[in-house]
Amino acid sequence: NAGVTQTPKFQVLKTGQSMTLQCAQDMNHNSMYWYRQDPGMGLRLIYYSASEGTTDKGEVPNGYNVSRLNKREFSLRLESAAPSQTSVYFCASTKSGRASGNEQFFGPGTRLTVL
Amino acid sequence: AQSVAQPEDQVNVAEGNPLTVKCTYSVSGNPYLFWYVQYPNRGLQFLLKYITGDNLVKGSYGFEAEFNKSQTSFHLKKPSALVSDSALYFCAVRSSKSTFGDGTTLTVKP
Repeated sequence: NAGVTQTPKFQVLKTGQSMTLQCAQDMNHNSMYWYRQDPGMGLRLIYYSASEGTTDKGEVPNGYNVSRLNKREFSLRLESAAPSQTSVYFCASTKSGRASGNEQFFGPGTRLTVL
Repeated sequence: AQSVAQPEDQVNVAEGNPLTVKCTYSVSGNPYLFWYVQYPNRGLQFLLKYITGDNLVKGSYGFEAEFNKSQTSFHLKKPSALVSDSALYFCAVRSSKSTFGDGTTLTVKP
């Protein structure tokens, strides 16, 4: 099992450019998440998908969109990147919902710099 | 509102000494509590969790944590620290949603 995989590992964008971060899990998990990690701020939830076909906003959704393509894949799109979106982005998955006792499995992260 | 506090940004211990990384939480209802570890340039890895039952839970790599309902705390402990335990540690609480603390950097010196 590869677990949770993310592509790309690194990306540099110019302000206004767009890009999609890809995430896939092979654990047959129902729920998937996108977080951003900034120094001294822990992890902040951007979007959440309880199951295939559903998505919900998290704490910091502005400037992002998501697609739950199927049970395995959950992508994050930046339509017009801004310097404030410079961060490390993590995808995670759990067997069941965000209120459950299941632990989250994290991908290795995407380090994004917006100039 | 749900919240998690990790009051120490940094914890330094000598190898072989016991370590404690502190976590307190605020949530309505009965929470699920988690500890995760993050090594440089890696994603978070699950260490242990408290769901119900025994207040002392044991996890990976010799770590354990004690759930204290009256003090709303879930401190991470290890009897004898290793240099390889040096990493960033996150406490998380889950009720209707997950909330992570800001993280504590643990440095274990030889």
